[in-house]
Amino acid sequence: GEDVEQSLFLSVREGDSSVINCTYTDSSSTYLYWYKQEPGAGLQLLTYIFSNMDMKQDQRLTVLLNKKDKHLSLRIADTQTGDSAIYFCAEGGGADGLTFGKGTHLIIQP
Amino acid sequence: KAGVTQTPRYLIKTRGQQVTLSCSPISGHRSVSWYQQTPGQGLQFLFEYFSETQRNKGNFPGRFSGRQFSNSRSEMNVSTLELGDSALYLCASSLGGSGGRNEQFFGPGTRLTVL
Repeated sequence: GEDVEQSLFLSVREGDSSVINCTYTDSSSTYLYWYKQEPGAGLQLLTYIFSNMDMKQDQRLTVLLNKKDKHLSLRIADTQTGDSAIYFCAEGGGADGLTFGKGTHLIIQP
Repeated sequence: KAGVTQTPRYLIKTRGQQVTLSCSPISGHRSVSWYQQTPGQGLQFLFEYFSETQRNKGNFPGRFSGRQFSNSRSEMNVSTLELGDSALYLCASSLGGSGGRNEQFFGPGTRLTVL
């Protein structure tokens, strides 16, 4: 079945770049998504990438997609304390729903 | 545009009871999906409704059911509650096109605690 894997924790210093990695299994996914969840809140869509793209940049966020290896990453430049949250990688959508990874807890060190 | 709203935000029930959760999608969105989020299993897809019809269903028992109304609002029902049903239930709305980009926008969730 479909599976999305992420590491559970990432700790970075404030001001550094954060790179959150994700691997997925469904090669038919047309779009891949990154969501952010802050404590006590729902999921906020951060960005997405179309499967025929290699890279997408949106302000401090850069998404890299290696379709051959089924590897997706999210880079957050100049990480701030407000970036502290759980980041979810997701594939799919439409009628099949989204398949999420377990989420990566991003911890910011002062 | 108002976002996705879910009511109630918090709910406490006891085993054996049943519960109904409500979700109002973003205006113009015809698809509503429901997800269960627990620390152990993460986010799991429950089902999706589009134009009042269940279009797809995840791997959950029949105690979990839902419906969608003509105004796209959706309700989810869980009967005969079990302790393991304690979770954050998230609703997501989207325009509903199958395939292609179909961004889902999530509500804040309903936190259900079963005692």
